[in-house]
Amino acid sequence: DSGVTQTPKHLITATGQRVTLRCSPRSGDLSVYWYQQSLDQGLQFLIQYYNGEERAKGNILERFSAQQFPDLHSELNLSSLELGDSALYFCASSARTGLYNEQFFGPGTRLTVL
Amino acid sequence: DQQVKQNSPSLSVQEGRISILNCDYTNSMFDYFLWYKKYPAEGPTFLISISSIKDKNEDGRFTVFLNKSAKHLSLHIVPSQPGDSAVYFCAASARNYGQNFVFGPGTRLSVLP
Repeated sequence: DSGVTQTPKHLITATGQRVTLRCSPRSGDLSVYWYQQSLDQGLQFLIQYYNGEERAKGNILERFSAQQFPDLHSELNLSSLELGDSALYFCASSARTGLYNEQFFGPGTRLTVL
Repeated sequence: DQQVKQNSPSLSVQEGRISILNCDYTNSMFDYFLWYKKYPAEGPTFLISISSIKDKNEDGRFTVFLNKSAKHLSLHIVPSQPGDSAVYFCAASARNYGQNFVFGPGTRLSVLP
């Protein structure tokens, strides 16, 4: 158990809908990262937050947004969903930002868009 | 364009033998590399890392080798155990990437009893 929790575990929805994925980092970790893993793909970095502020952006679509709240939990919002958004979404946390801090991953949320 | 490649989607090895998982990268700015292991229905877990100032790092049964000139790294598991059966991801980072890692597509290792 990494100490990172993600809810829900599974989510099935229809095209055009909007969903929110939630992540609670390990106790004391200030950085939160979101990744997307599509079928047979590696983990694609989406976005990073550090202590409530956006720190880095990866290949995140404009239809997706995220935020980190004062209690350090984070939410990833996916809107106008398309079939291609079906994937595993992982959240990770680390103690600090900056180089080479080990990231601890949650179990993921499996999103299926029908 | 994949910056981190793992060209073997799967690998089967007999228990007790050596497992060698390979990873190639294209970005010469990468200077830190990690291996993560992932079991089904779980998130990836950190296994071992190596900085570009080294060419080898060892942790128990796991050794990572880095060949900077070839832009290649490998993970050796000796001896392989059935519990090592998982998907292994190679990841790379560079100073100008900050904390952001670029992951390969993964290699599924099956260790046969």
